[in-house]
Amino acid sequence: EAQVTQNPRYLITVTGKKLTVTCSQNMNHEYMSWYRQDPGLGLRQIYYSMNVEVTDKGDVPEGYKVSRKEKRNFPLILESPSPNQTSLYFCASRAGTATNYGYTFGSGTRLTVV
Amino acid sequence: GENVEQHPSTLSVQEGDSAVIKCTYSDSASNYFPWYKQELGKGPQLIIDIRSNVGEKKDQRIAVTLNKTAKHFSLHITETQPEDSAVYFCAASATGFQKLVFGTGTRLLVSP
Repeated sequence: EAQVTQNPRYLITVTGKKLTVTCSQNMNHEYMSWYRQDPGLGLRQIYYSMNVEVTDKGDVPEGYKVSRKEKRNFPLILESPSPNQTSLYFCASRAGTATNYGYTFGSGTRLTVV
Repeated sequence: GENVEQHPSTLSVQEGDSAVIKCTYSDSASNYFPWYKQELGKGPQLIIDIRSNVGEKKDQRIAVTLNKTAKHFSLHITETQPEDSAVYFCAASATGFQKLVFGTGTRLLVSP
């Protein structure tokens, strides 16, 4: 089944403790992206990647890092999490073709930083 | 940068009625406009999209219209059913299509 898989689904951590949220897609997609979803704010893009070793900042990149060493994986790293990073996070991917622009989203990771 | 506004934030309709959700965008360079449906506990799912060279697109009970001059686009759902209840997001993207800017979402409730 074609899908984007995020882990973990739920995570509670303490301020300052480094964490990584993994994302993997099995569709051989070129583009991958991370979004955070907060009430009343919709989805805001954190980082995106157009291919292996090619990443760029979205609208809210502060406090986050990403890497794209393999085409299928796009982990989100919080080096020193803070309470304002408590949110619902989504990873998404899409093909690089000129006819299909729709992103496929994962099921989300609900992060709580205390 | 791009800014997308979405209205209304909540919409309640009776089963069988039509529902319309409207979005406006600010960047005239935007040329791709998708709509996503998010059910409880799930990620957003693409339901329909439109490019700026098309004014309207329809897929069964769902249609999207685009007015480039006014910079707004709308989602129309006809003959609504309880399973249409969800949060709907519009989005806009300019050249390259990898950077999507989303609206703030509309919670649609369809009552039997």
